[in-house]
Amino acid sequence: DTAVSQTPKYLVTQMGNDKSIKCEQNLGHDTMYWYKQDSKKFLKIMFSYNNKELIINETVPNRFSPKSPDKAHLNLHINSLELGDSAVYFCASSQAVLGTDTQYFGPGTRLTVL
Amino acid sequence: QKEVEQNSGPLSVPEGAIASLNCTYSDRGSQSFFWYRQYSGKSPELIMSIYSNGDKEDGRFTAQLNKASQYVSLLIRDSQPSDSATYLCAVTPGGKLTFGTGTRLTIIP
Repeated sequence: DTAVSQTPKYLVTQMGNDKSIKCEQNLGHDTMYWYKQDSKKFLKIMFSYNNKELIINETVPNRFSPKSPDKAHLNLHINSLELGDSAVYFCASSQAVLGTDTQYFGPGTRLTVL
Repeated sequence: QKEVEQNSGPLSVPEGAIASLNCTYSDRGSQSFFWYRQYSGKSPELIMSIYSNGDKEDGRFTAQLNKASQYVSLLIRDSQPSDSATYLCAVTPGGKLTFGTGTRLTIIP
């Protein structure tokens, strides 16, 4: 009965490659998020979707493209990976449109770019 | 000025004592305030939310909010070794959940 799940848990790849991370939530929430946590553990929002519609798009390189096929899924595709993309990426979900209520986080995907 | 500021620690507290974690924020329009706990290698999990001035208690945890001073704190009573983790303060400027850099707490047995 996992609430927010992500795949894969670990991702090791070469610079220049394209990769995707998938996220699914079974909480019935309308809003999903992608966060990046860097090596200093700073957690920062990247994107937010409400009912498949993009509502928050922070200053993220356009190599990052989120996609929400339905409100239970939010995927993150990254083109032309760079060393600086190495981080832990967390998916989260909440009921509210804005981030004003509890957000539930997935287990994270540790991305290492070599 | 950072949107959310926390002392990064590490903060070491003897077992059974009170741990006090502090956070200041810059956006006066923020309406929702959260404390998340993150164990090493794990995802953040919510431990407290607070929306109005004053204290909110939940078991051993008490969150305190002072909007005039733009200050939110978390007290952990009777600290246990299992409380050792990084505590993330989060505020919602413009409805966007914004985290501080976290305070690493170590409970010493």
